[in-house]
Amino acid sequence: QQQVKQSPQSLIVQKGGISIINCAYENTAFDYFPWYQQFPGKGPALLIAIRPDVSEKKEGRFTISFNKSAKQFSLHIMDSQPGDSATYFCAASKETSGSRLTFGEGTQLTVNP
Amino acid sequence: DAGVIQSPRHEVTEMGQEVTLRCKPISGHNSLFWYRQTMMRGLELLIYFNNNVPIDDSGMPEDRFSAKMPNASFSTLKIQPSEPRDSAVYFCASIPGLAGGPKFFGPGTRLTVL
Repeated sequence: QQQVKQSPQSLIVQKGGISIINCAYENTAFDYFPWYQQFPGKGPALLIAIRPDVSEKKEGRFTISFNKSAKQFSLHIMDSQPGDSATYFCAASKETSGSRLTFGEGTQLTVNP
Repeated sequence: DAGVIQSPRHEVTEMGQEVTLRCKPISGHNSLFWYRQTMMRGLELLIYFNNNVPIDDSGMPEDRFSAKMPNASFSTLKIQPSEPRDSAVYFCASIPGLAGGPKFFGPGTRLTVL
């Protein structure tokens, strides 16, 4: 019940295209859903996060879509750039019991110039 | 502002040796997290502290692992004795309060146990 499943494992997109990464969770008690970006040799950094009271959140080129009934959420990167090439992790937690994040397996995104 | 500081950045040791990883959280943050990242298991929370008190250590893999936070600006993760399967990148992160997740993780310590 603590799992977060992420797909695809890897993704190749052309510059200017849309990158879409999907996650599914099992624990209906989860109420905080962040996405992290990690470059090689660096620690993960928070990209954008959503709570289940909204179905979508947009920050610049990055959008989270959230479907509570399906227990799924996704990250959309519009106008993908080579600098977006990184590994992306979705995560989930139950904030009322502290910030124990459960991470997805990660998606390695490559944006070709 | 300085981010989370971790040391050492790289550690190579032999099986059976004691390893100590160090972390300095962001000033003013009162929750601190230790995560481990491996190819096989991804990112896993090992333990987190709030106000220097361990809140959840259920992710600590076994008794060989121990963590302390003697004050608000310093934490250690110790492995004794170390084993090759402990080879991983260990990240530290901190947040103000308890809710939400870290904005930034530390740079990590890459541990290799031979």
